[in-house]
Amino acid sequence: GENVEQHPSTLSVQEGDSAVIKCTYSDSASNYFPWYKQELGKRPQLIIDIRSNVGEKKDQRIAVTLNKTAKHFSLHITETQPEDSAVYFCAANQVGSYGKLTFGQGTILTVHP
Amino acid sequence: GAGVSQSPSNKVTEKGKDVELRCDPISGHTALYWYRQSLGQGLEFLIYFQGNSAPDKSGLPSDRFSAERTGGSVSTLTIQRTQQEDSAVYLCASSRDRVDEKLFFGSGTQLSVL
Repeated sequence: GENVEQHPSTLSVQEGDSAVIKCTYSDSASNYFPWYKQELGKRPQLIIDIRSNVGEKKDQRIAVTLNKTAKHFSLHITETQPEDSAVYFCAANQVGSYGKLTFGQGTILTVHP
Repeated sequence: GAGVSQSPSNKVTEKGKDVELRCDPISGHTALYWYRQSLGQGLEFLIYFQGNSAPDKSGLPSDRFSAERTGGSVSTLTIQRTQQEDSAVYLCASSRDRVDEKLFFGSGTQLSVL
């Protein structure tokens, strides 16, 4: 089955800096890669996703890049703000297993004012 | 409803007791999923429903775990003879249909087995 590795496990930045979180996946057939943000005590929320036919996707301060050859994808947050502080999870799908996402272990992002 | 609803939000039980966790998906969403989140870990897939049937139960950790869905809506996850290692947050998610992989999660049930 699919295996997703996520790094770093913790990330601390100053407000206004950029933050990058990286994930690698094992199954070359995977074609959907979402990122979820989970604030303390809250539900995970989808913040951005990318499909394998696209190399990059942006939504305001957030972007995701995908390298299919290397089987890795990254989340980029620019101009970080304290409200970006949360746990971020990457995930990859298993083709043919609808909704069965394999998640990374999560990255605790702390943005210091 | 406006979002995925789960109840109870917290459940404390004694080892060996049975528990039932409930999930009410977004109205009109035909696909429903259960995930488990252990402390400091990522989310672990448990089971997937399309309508009332469960084509993928591969993530259920043991035969003490079972789930059902009725009326294509509410789902119940049952854990029999709970063990301490069952302590975790149990998250339910729904999506519009089996093809739409955008999952909307509930707030979860924090299960503590003493």
